[in-house]
Amino acid sequence: DTGVSQDPRHKITKRGQNVTFRCDPISEHNRLYWYRQTLGQGPEFLTYFQNEAQLEKSRLLSDRFSAERPKGSFSTLEIQRTEQGDSAMYLCASSLARLTGNTEAFFGQGTRLTVV
Amino acid sequence: GEDVEQSLFLSVREGDSSVINCTYTDSSSTYLYWYKQEPGAGLQLLTYIFSNMDMKQDQRLTVLLNKKDKHLSLRIADTQTGDSAIYFCAVSLDMEYGNKLVFGAGTILRVKS
Repeated sequence: DTGVSQDPRHKITKRGQNVTFRCDPISEHNRLYWYRQTLGQGPEFLTYFQNEAQLEKSRLLSDRFSAERPKGSFSTLEIQRTEQGDSAMYLCASSLARLTGNTEAFFGQGTRLTVV
Repeated sequence: GEDVEQSLFLSVREGDSSVINCTYTDSSSTYLYWYKQEPGAGLQLLTYIFSNMDMKQDQRLTVLLNKKDKHLSLRIADTQTGDSAIYFCAVSLDMEYGNKLVFGAGTILRVKS
């Protein structure tokens, strides 16, 4: 396993268009997270899945954003009617839930979205 | 909500030690992490410390945790030019199901040869 992979690495889109990003987590990991990182800031939590269930959503996730993880493996993040303020790096992370002990989150390389 | 603060910039000479500092507000954080990000790349987990520990050493990296003052630091010994990157402090925050990471804004480390 080569780690968390994200596709595409870069996306340039016109304002108002829809975009979809894909994340493939580490294969045995049951938890998957989406974060957003804007220039000069640390990543901010967007949403989280345990297996196929979306268990938490941040207030940052407006109704234009939707995330799915249909079979508990890969996940997609769709942004509808993109706005310039959506320009950011979208990071996916995965971890293995344990009853006790640490659950390290491993991050992908990110998808950099530019809305023009 | 949880707030994590870091100094913005640190410049050191190659071979010196670097110390990156972080403060946080939520004392219930169980695990605290240091991540490294190189230009245009994702986040690389460097090390972490459990909240009941004061110190953790991992090769050139030493993490110190002062729970009373809610202060976390990362010391990099014998800093190399390849250590130039942005370093993020992150704390785990429990949600109703699972936990999430809350990150600081990052410290830019510049290593001069």
